[in-house]
Amino acid sequence: EVQLVESGGGLVQPGGSLRLTCAASGFTSSSYSMNWVRQAPGKGLEWLSYISGNSYNIYYADSVKGRFTISRDNAKNSLYLQMNSLRAEDTAVYYCARSQSSNGWGSNWFDPWGQGTLVAVSS
Amino acid sequence: DIQMTQSPSSLSASIGDRVTITCQASQDISNYLNWYQQKPGKAPKLLIYDASNLQTGVPSRFSGSGSGTDFTFTISSLQPQDIATYYCQQYDNVPITFGPGTKVDIK
Repeated sequence: EVQLVESGGGLVQPGGSLRLTCAASGFTSSSYSMNWVRQAPGKGLEWLSYISGNSYNIYYADSVKGRFTISRDNAKNSLYLQMNSLRAEDTAVYYCARSQSSNGWGSNWFDPWGQGTLVAVSS
Repeated sequence: DIQMTQSPSSLSASIGDRVTITCQASQDISNYLNWYQQKPGKAPKLLIYDASNLQTGVPSRFSGSGSGTDFTFTISSLQPQDIATYYCQQYDNVPITFGPGTKVDIK
């Protein structure tokens, strides 16, 4: 079964850091690009970042560029999101999601998604 | 950035009704448009990719159409389990952007 499981969320003070992990199973991690998407409480979906299967291509939303870093370890079938300089507006459920392409930009429909991990930024 | 709009923002319909949601992009995105369903407390689920392709395992009452800037998502016969929020998403350009969502409930 293809599955994604996020972990690493929690309560952090403004200005703090967190590292989220997305563990993949049921497929060959290096064959797929991956993404992080978040959803603030009661709000819509916001794409944050993309990384290609070989990690050569990485993109960020302007809202997190310079503060968040996406990375992956294909040997461990894991995706990461290092979040620094966290702000109250970063409070959200964070999802990882698989694209359908390996290293090219195309086929960026997200399936599957993880169950999400909650990040709360508050003093 | 490509802006995505959806209408309506919410709707109420009866079981068995045909439900239509529209999604408009601020510029031509060809057919690089996907649709997701999200139920409360759950992760989104892919329904339609590349504007009109039904994801494997998704009931055939769901369909999508359109290209360029204007897209339509249809539920041919609304079922109780279709109560959810529906989002469109474009991937023609970085950043990937989602529509604001359409909340569907039962009248």
